[in-house]
Amino acid sequence: ETGVTQSPTHLIKTRGQQVTLRCSSQSGHNTVSWYQQALGQGPQFIFQYYREEENGRGNFPPRFSGLQFPNYSSELNVNALELDDSALYLCASSTRSGTDTQYFGPGTRLTVL
Amino acid sequence: QKEVEQDPGPLSVPEGAIVSLNCTYSNSAFQYFMWYRQYSRKGPELLMYTYSSGNKEDGRFTAQVDKSSKYISLFIRDSQPSDSATYLCAMSLDNYGQNFVFGPGTRLSVLP
Repeated sequence: ETGVTQSPTHLIKTRGQQVTLRCSSQSGHNTVSWYQQALGQGPQFIFQYYREEENGRGNFPPRFSGLQFPNYSSELNVNALELDDSALYLCASSTRSGTDTQYFGPGTRLTVL
Repeated sequence: QKEVEQDPGPLSVPEGAIVSLNCTYSNSAFQYFMWYRQYSRKGPELLMYTYSSGNKEDGRFTAQVDKSSKYISLFIRDSQPSDSATYLCAMSLDNYGQNFVFGPGTRLSVLP
């Protein structure tokens, strides 16, 4: 298992609500990326945080936002939830060292009713 | 044309078989190529990581990258029922997460 942890494991929300997902990166990793994985599909890149700033974003609307903290942990916030936001949300951490790649956490399964 | 294409399967093989999983891609700028294994309702687990073209072997797993053909492969020797999972290929311009593009995954079942 990797050292990347995510909370909560599962979450059920209703349409229009807001949600916050949390990620603790692997020890020594300073970069965190968030992905959305719909059922039967590969993960899709949402955004990446490096040194507490957003450093790259995929094709997701502004209601998807995030934070990175000085200890490199991160949050993903989603406002105005829609039914299509139901998915597995994955966090991955890396070092940007050039000799290693990113490692994923177990994910948070979000269901929007 | 999708940026990364992968046969979704499902692929069923008997225990002990050699499994071949493949992905094709369209962006010739990709430099890093990864294979992840994902068990049901779990996060992806890194299996193989390759920079540029060539082969890489790790135990029962061999990854091949052919950049001239824009084609990557993962071979699993002596497949086991515990190998039953979805296998995701991923590729990127960098190795630290930005611009990672994943295939949809191939679902593999290894039958005892």
